[in-house]
Amino acid sequence: GAVVSQHPSRVICKSGTSVKIECRSLDFQATTMFWYRQFPKKSLMLMATSNEGSKATYEQGVEKDKFLINHASLTLSTLTVTSAHPEDSSFYICSATDRGAYGYTFGSGTRLTVV
Amino acid sequence: QKEVEQNSGPLSVPEGAIASLNCTYSDRGSQSFFWYRQYSGKSPELIMSIYSNGDKEDGRFTAQLNKASQYVSLLIRDSQPSDSATYLCAVNIQGGNTPLVFGKGTRLSVIA
Repeated sequence: GAVVSQHPSRVICKSGTSVKIECRSLDFQATTMFWYRQFPKKSLMLMATSNEGSKATYEQGVEKDKFLINHASLTLSTLTVTSAHPEDSSFYICSATDRGAYGYTFGSGTRLTVV
Repeated sequence: QKEVEQNSGPLSVPEGAIASLNCTYSDRGSQSFFWYRQYSGKSPELIMSIYSNGDKEDGRFTAQLNKASQYVSLLIRDSQPSDSATYLCAVNIQGGNTPLVFGKGTRLSVIA
């Protein structure tokens, strides 16, 4: 089955620093990647959608200059949280698809803690 | 507003019983429907996908779709304590490689 590898699984960083999260599709070409964040006991919140080779489309209220998304290849997308602050602490999850209606695969998630 | 509705639960069932999880969606043109399981602190894991009216079975899981009623359900037979998790109903409303619309999830607790 389709596998999406997400790294790191956990990261602790100091306030003001930047953190990069990677998602790789291992056995399929991820034409579209989605980035979510999830606070404890809350629903998944879509942050942005990125298509390979194009600029990401951000959801309302998500700062594109703070959450930089790169999807330069069909197997790799990255999310960089710039100038992280404690309120950015959350569970970040990517999801990828190559055939939309027929399959969306989630990465294992990254728990970011900003101290 | 494109919506997917689920009862948040918790839904408690005894071990060995059938757990029934329900979901309704607002957009009649929706074509693809998914059930994900999410354990606490983990990312969602695909359980079932269904695209046509009727039932689809996979092991202990059966997904049921009724497009006329805009209703999709998941049955879990012979429920086990390891099935205790939050179950997310997700719908591809706009087609193609567009984001899934998720329900808020139903928390299932299987009591040993």
